[in-house]
Amino acid sequence: DSGVTQTPKHLITATGQRVTLRCSPRSGDLSVYWYQQSLDQGLQFLIQYYNGEERAKGNILERFSAQQFPDLHSELNLSSLELGDSALYFCASGPSLSYEQYFGPGTRLTVT
Amino acid sequence: AQTVTQSQPEMSVQEAETVTLSCTYDTSESDYYLFWYKQPPSRQMILVIRQEAYKQQNATENRFSVNFQKAAKSFSLKISDSQLGDAAMYFCAYRSNNAGNMLTFGGGTRLMVKP
Repeated sequence: DSGVTQTPKHLITATGQRVTLRCSPRSGDLSVYWYQQSLDQGLQFLIQYYNGEERAKGNILERFSAQQFPDLHSELNLSSLELGDSALYFCASGPSLSYEQYFGPGTRLTVT
Repeated sequence: AQTVTQSQPEMSVQEAETVTLSCTYDTSESDYYLFWYKQPPSRQMILVIRQEAYKQQNATENRFSVNFQKAAKSFSLKISDSQLGDAAMYFCAYRSNNAGNMLTFGGGTRLMVKP
């Protein structure tokens, strides 16, 4: 157990819908990272937050957004969902910018 | 942009034997970190080992060790005394020390362990 929690574990929704994925980092970790793992694209970095501020953006679609709250938990919002958004979404956290990342168990999103 | 390549989609090893997984990367940076992550069927991403680019000494964690060749941009993982529980996907990852610190992953190598 890495100490990073993600909810829900599984999510099934229809095309065009909007969902929110939640991540609670390890106690004391200020950095939160979101990654997407799909069969087509492999493991891809989406976005990073550090102590509430957006730090870096990767291949994140405009339909996707995220935020980190004052208690350091983070949410990833996915809207206008398409079949291709079906994937495993990981959250990772780390104590600072220069440290290894610890991954949560992931949220499996299925868009039908 | 950095790229990470794992040229072996699948590998197999006999239990108790040694196996080496390959990884190469492309970067123009001199300061970075390299990692190996294990993803078992549960899909959990588990950190196996990390290597700082400024360190010449290869990292070791119990049965896991790396061969880091900075000039060749090569970072292989050696698993000694392979166990059934080592069966998993293994991902090599690169992390810059510049802004962002995100991980760039290779495509993964599926390791099968034969009893």
